Amino acid sequence: DGGITQSPKYLFRKEGQNVTLSCEQNLNHDAMYWYRQDPGQGLRLIYYSQIVNDFQKGDIAEGYSVSREKKESFPLTVTSAQKNPTAFYLCASSILTGMDQETQYFGPGTRLLVL
Amino acid sequence: GENVEQHPSTLSVQEGDSAVIKCTYSDSASNYFPWYKQELGKGPQLIIDIRSNVGEKKDQRIAVTLNKTAKHFSLHITETQPEDSAVYFCAASPPNYQLIWGAGTKLIIKP
Repeated sequence: DGGITQSPKYLFRKEGQNVTLSCEQNLNHDAMYWYRQDPGQGLRLIYYSQIVNDFQKGDIAEGYSVSREKKESFPLTVTSAQKNPTAFYLCASSILTGMDQETQYFGPGTRLLVL
Repeated sequence: GENVEQHPSTLSVQEGDSAVIKCTYSDSASNYFPWYKQELGKGPQLIIDIRSNVGEKKDQRIAVTLNKTAKHFSLHITETQPEDSAVYFCAASPPNYQLIWGAGTKLIIKP
């Protein structure tokens, strides 16, 4: 089965703690993305990566960090600097074909809650 | 930068009727316009998309229309069914840039 997996489904964070959300894809896509979704709002881009060992900040990167050591994996760390981390986090991937945007395929999401 | 506005925020229609959701965008260079459906607690799924070189695209009960002059595009769902109930998002993408998302429309299908 090809697709994108995210784990865990639910994650609890204590004050001052860093937590890491996992995202894995077996679609052989070059590009991967992390979005944050808050109730009643659209998706906001946190980080994206178009190639291994390279990534770019999105609109709301502060308090987050990522790595792209393998093509299949793009983990997101929510650091203690992110003061309002409670949200639904979505990972996506797409192929790259020059300049135009291609279809993004999404994982099932991780809901992060603060204790 | 690009800005996408989506209306209405909530739409309630009788089962079997049609539903229309509209989005406007600000960047005339945007050339890719996808529509996603998100069910509760799940990730969004692409239902249809359109590029700026066409004005309309259909897939069974779903269609998207694009008016580049007015900078708006719309999702049309005909013969609505209970399983169409979900949140629908539009997005727009200028060349060589990321997707900019609308705020979403909650579609409710009344039996």
